[in-house]
Amino acid sequence: EDQVTQSPEALRLQEGESSSLNCSYTVSGLRGLFWYRQDPGKGPEFLFTLYSAGEEKEKERLKATLTKKESFLHITAPKPEDSATYLCAVQAGGNKLVFGAGTILRVKS
Amino acid sequence: DGGITQSPKYLFRKEGQNVTLSCEQNLNHDAMYWYRQDPGQGLRLIYYSQIVNDFQKGDIAEGYSVSREKKESFPLTVTSAQKNPTAFYLCASSLQEYGYTFGSGTRLTVV
Repeated sequence: EDQVTQSPEALRLQEGESSSLNCSYTVSGLRGLFWYRQDPGKGPEFLFTLYSAGEEKEKERLKATLTKKESFLHITAPKPEDSATYLCAVQAGGNKLVFGAGTILRVKS
Repeated sequence: DGGITQSPKYLFRKEGQNVTLSCEQNLNHDAMYWYRQDPGQGLRLIYYSQIVNDFQKGDIAEGYSVSREKKESFPLTVTSAQKNPTAFYLCASSLQEYGYTFGSGTRLTVV
């Protein structure tokens, strides 16, 4: 059974304090790993797709990396507007995505 | 602009009542999905459809029903058989192996 585990469940940072979110997965035949950002009461917003171990992608203060067992979302010098829930999902067979429970990030100024 | 529209944003259901959540997309995506989100849990798949007039059960289909009569539309009915329907419902669509585009969600509350 495909599984995704995200840690920590919640993370509080001071503005400018860099950190990383973890996404561990077990899947037979990974076809893609996805990161989404979700603001309260809204639908998830796509951030990145990673396809193979060693791949990295960046967008503003965010950088996603992928190994054979996990993915990290690195946040460099975060700002209060980066506060959100970050969701990780894996795609194995078919088009279905399996999601983790998410990490709630709060950045205080 | 292309996107996914979910309506209503808020919905209240009485005990024993069926309610239908709307999901419409103009992205020309083939596949559509319904997920349920509860606090502290990941998104759980209810139903999905990869082509018109065909759909499959997800992990938590009991108490729900769907139809896919048009490519653009994938409504979800929450029936009286769903004993704990209070949740945030998300509709998504995708084109083949690419990631999902999500709607803005419907929050359903039992009153």
